[in-house]
Amino acid sequence: SAVISQKPSRDICQRGTSLTIQCQVDSQVTMMFWYRQQPGQSLTLIATANQGSEATYESGFVIDKFPISRPNLTFSTLTVSNMSPEDSSIYLCSVEAGNTDTQYFGPGTRLTVL
Amino acid sequence: KNQVEQSPQSLIILEGKNCTLQCNYTVSPFSNLRWYKQDTGRGPVSLTIMTFSENTKSNGRYTATLDADTKQSSLHITASQLSDSASYICVVNNYNAGNMLTFGGGTRLMVKP
Repeated sequence: SAVISQKPSRDICQRGTSLTIQCQVDSQVTMMFWYRQQPGQSLTLIATANQGSEATYESGFVIDKFPISRPNLTFSTLTVSNMSPEDSSIYLCSVEAGNTDTQYFGPGTRLTVL
Repeated sequence: KNQVEQSPQSLIILEGKNCTLQCNYTVSPFSNLRWYKQDTGRGPVSLTIMTFSENTKSNGRYTATLDADTKQSSLHITASQLSDSASYICVVNNYNAGNMLTFGGGTRLMVKP
């Protein structure tokens, strides 16, 4: 299994500012994933972050808006840049771990943009 | 387009009762299907994961079934408890799409005393 922590757990931010979300895993993992879950919706993959290479972004998400860092095998950050109220959402970090191919999710960061 | 459809969208049952949640998918080729439980304000937690060769898997009071021919899965909850109140999300994995997970919209379950 994998235990994932995220910081901050929630934040309220002003329009036009940026927020960096941290994700820490208790074991080394190759791939980390960042998801967005808008109110009442299911999860949408933003990007896949591999250590030592550029993150791979899904359609509709770009690096300038959601820059990602992956400095080592247990840590990643996602920045939400130049925020607008439409960015209000829960942002979740996820990893695949173990030989059962199970995906584990962090507790999420609840972001509100005013 | 790969899709995962869940029904019902929401469900209210009395404590102690059983319920069954449905998941239909069009993802192909299919690698595995997962059911997650997501408590309000928390990240999803894996309940079961089934490959195409498995047609049932249990985790305590949760039993998932899979019919890969009809592309349908169900999650049966037995003797529901108040703590079962959560969203239940069906997720299908398509390895041919670079390990892409397709998420269903979830079923929001409320268990009342």
